[in-house]
Amino acid sequence: DTEVTQTPKHLVMGMTNKKSLKCEQHMGHRAMYWYKQKAKKPPELMFVYSYEKLSINESVPSRFSPECPNSSLLNLHLHALQPEDSALYLCASSQVSRAHEQYFGPGTRLTVT
Amino acid sequence: RKEVEQDPGPFNVPEGATVAFNCTYSNSASQSFFWYRQDCRKEPKLLMSVYSSGNEDGRFTAQLNRASQYISLLIRDSKLSDSATYLCVVKGGGSYIPTFGRGTSLIVHP
Repeated sequence: DTEVTQTPKHLVMGMTNKKSLKCEQHMGHRAMYWYKQKAKKPPELMFVYSYEKLSINESVPSRFSPECPNSSLLNLHLHALQPEDSALYLCASSQVSRAHEQYFGPGTRLTVT
Repeated sequence: RKEVEQDPGPFNVPEGATVAFNCTYSNSASQSFFWYRQDCRKEPKLLMSVYSSGNEDGRFTAQLNRASQYISLLIRDSKLSDSATYLCVVKGGGSYIPTFGRGTSLIVHP
């Protein structure tokens, strides 16, 4: 199984809402990533978890809160977002020693109104 | 100067054409290089690694020029299904996390 799944596929939320994005993989990967991608731009790294511990936070605003409950799951909790946070949010996973070989999920397309 | 630079394109080519794109990187300590492919509204997927000696996978050839700090991707006999954005990815030079270029858009038309 080389699949990374993400739910929901699409999400529309208001600026006062609280929502969560979910990501799951069963490849035994111990590194998991959150990226944000705007149209016609490359994926921008947000967070990296390594062995279920947050190892990189790319100065992401606190309205984005990641969580890694276990080695297969990665969540991104959203609260008080701004319209400019509308983007495609991609989850990826890899073996810790092979961070270049990332398997991406299909993404959640988020619209903040 | 950006760490990884690519011409965004789009490159418009007819089926059967040969097309090549380059990607330059600024950190001379970079160690590993890759090409990813991203179809429209889909997630990126690893296409191939780029080795010092160059490597070929079917119609795709990737090469590395360390002296000039660029990598290239050559696609021969282009197919309609090759239409996508090709992302250059560079790793090393102090970080184990790869850096993505902005991508080069390729459109193959009949």
